[in-house]
Parts: sequence; structure tokens; C-alpha cells
Amino acid sequence: DTAVSQTPKYLVTQMGNDKSIKCEQNLGHDTMYWYKQDSKKFLKIMFSYNNKELIINETVPNRFSPKSPDKAHLNLHINSLELGDSAVYFCASRTGTGSTDTQYFGPGTRLTVL
Amino acid sequence: AQSVTQPDIHITVSEGASLELRCNYSYGATPYLFWYVQSPGQGLQLLLKYFSGDTLVQGIKGFEAEFKRSQSSFNLRKPSVHWSDAAEYFCAVGGRSGGFKTIFGAGTRLFVKA
Repeated sequence: DTAVSQTPKYLVTQMGNDKSIKCEQNLGHDTMYWYKQDSKKFLKIMFSYNNKELIINETVPNRFSPKSPDKAHLNLHINSLELGDSAVYFCASRTGTGSTDTQYFGPGTRLTVL
Repeated sequence: AQSVTQPDIHITVSEGASLELRCNYSYGATPYLFWYVQSPGQGLQLLLKYFSGDTLVQGIKGFEAEFKRSQSSFNLRKPSVHWSDAAEYFCAVGGRSGGFKTIFGAGTRLFVKA
């Protein structure tokens, strides 16, 4: 009954490959995010979807493409992987506004590009 | 520009001692402020949040934070630290300005010595 789940937990791949990370939330939230956490623990937002619509798209290479088949899922596809893509990627979902505003994070996917 | 500064990259405290983690923010409107904790290999967990009202906010695990608008600060405190509190702590700011995008600080790593 995990609230926000990600698969896989670890992903090791070669440069130039294409890979996907999946995220699912069973909380009924409308908004989901992808964050990238680099080796210095800096956490940066990449994308946000609200009811399957893209609402935040930070300056991210277009090799990264999010896909939201329904509001419970937000997947991240990465083409032509580069060494600099190595990081931990977190999915999050969000509920409410104002005092009820809370983000719930998944456990992360550690991507290593060799 | 919206930003969050956590001046201390790491802090070491003795078990049972008090703790204060500093956070300063820059935000163009009324901020929503958050503190998250990340244990090694885990996702982020919300400790507490401030939206409005009482500037002293109570959170989980015995943590509290005080919002000081005049100093643009939202420092996290705990009166007596336990060894299990050793983790990475992130301050974050968000709000209506910027489409509810949450900006995270670089984090402060807390070490607890026996």
C-alpha cells in the first residue's frame, strides 16, 4: 500500500541507451512531479503534471520526456543517456492548496550511466 | 528570483543537545515554507510546513520551526536530538507565485555523535 512508488529502484546503463522510470501514486492526487537530485544532494524540479497536463517544464534537455497516461502515473523516458544524467530521480505527488498543501515523495530511482 | 539558502552544509551535534538548522529564502509573494528530512537511501519526508497564522510551527518527531518575515528565515529547531535524527534536511519554499513550484535548498547534513 505504498503511497508513491517508483520502478526500478536502481538502473545501471550505458551511454547512448534509452531508458524509462515509472511512477505511480495511489493517493488520488491530481499533481505529480519529477525531481532530479545530483551527487551533491541538490534537488531540482524537472516537470510537473496536473490531471495529465504538463504545467511545469524546467530547463531540461529534450532527451527527457515525461508521459502521464492517467493522473495516477507519471513516467519519465530518457533518450540517448549521458554521463551527466547519473543522479537520483524522485517522483512526487501533491494534494491540496494552502494549509493542506503536501508533497509525498517516492523512494527514488538511482540512475548510473557508464 | 525565488531561492532558498541553507548556510550550513553539515552540522554535528551531540545526542541530547539542542539543534537549530538555518534557512533563508527569497520569494516575491507570501511564501509557503517547508522542511523535509531525507534518511540515507530514502525519499523525502515532510517534517512541517508554514502557510499562515502562528509563526511557530510544530512538526513531527519533535521538530518545530519559526517563520520570521523580517529576516526571511524559517529555522528548524529541536530541543534534544536523538541519534536517529541523523539525516539530510531540506528547507523549501513555494506558493501561488510560480504555479506552486517548490524550490529546495541545498540541504544540511546532520551528524549526531554519542
